[in-house]
Amino acid sequence: DVKVTQSSRYLVKRTGEKVFLECVQDMDHENMFWYRQDPGLGLRLIYFSYDVKMKEKGDIPEGYSVSREKKERFSLILESASTNQTSMYLCASSPMDHYEQYFGPGTRLTVT
Amino acid sequence: GQNIDQPTEMTATEGAIVQINCTYQTSGFNGLFWYQQHAGEAPTFLSYNVLDGLEEKGRFSSFLSRSKGYSYLLLKELQMKDSASYLCAVRATYNQGGKLIFGQGTELSVKP
Repeated sequence: DVKVTQSSRYLVKRTGEKVFLECVQDMDHENMFWYRQDPGLGLRLIYFSYDVKMKEKGDIPEGYSVSREKKERFSLILESASTNQTSMYLCASSPMDHYEQYFGPGTRLTVT
Repeated sequence: GQNIDQPTEMTATEGAIVQINCTYQTSGFNGLFWYQQHAGEAPTFLSYNVLDGLEEKGRFSSFLSRSKGYSYLLLKELQMKDSASYLCAVRATYNQGGKLIFGQGTELSVKP
């Protein structure tokens, strides 16, 4: 079974803090994704990566950055957390030639 | 622009059949996905359509009409455990990374 894990299920941070969200997949997938999910807005893509050290902006990259130093790990960084970044963050991965994405359990981030 | 529409909420009775519609307007099309998401959990893949017609998988079926920009997910013999959010997603272009655009999701409540 494909397994996508995220470092925390719940996280509380203060405004202005630097926040790291980690995602690890164990199926040697090329593609990895970071989404945020908000009520009424659905899943929105923040960043994605199709190879090690490669990254592409999604639909809402402002205020975020990413890092992919190893194939299995994709990190989302909030350089200076703000209250409007309070959300559920979901990581996903997929193989290169397959369209289905596998999701991690999500991290519910609260910024106070 | 890219737009995916699905009803926000639906209610159905245990044992019945329900159809969840999804319409899309995207700059291109390279496949449509349906995911199921139970409250507090990660989305899980249900179905994929890239050609017109019906794809059946047990109690779940998905239909696609590319000329109409329309899909539906059909759930038969509804069970209480089918209460969940159902997400429609479109792969708009053939590009690296397999980027998907998601609708806001349809919250299905199954009543006894």
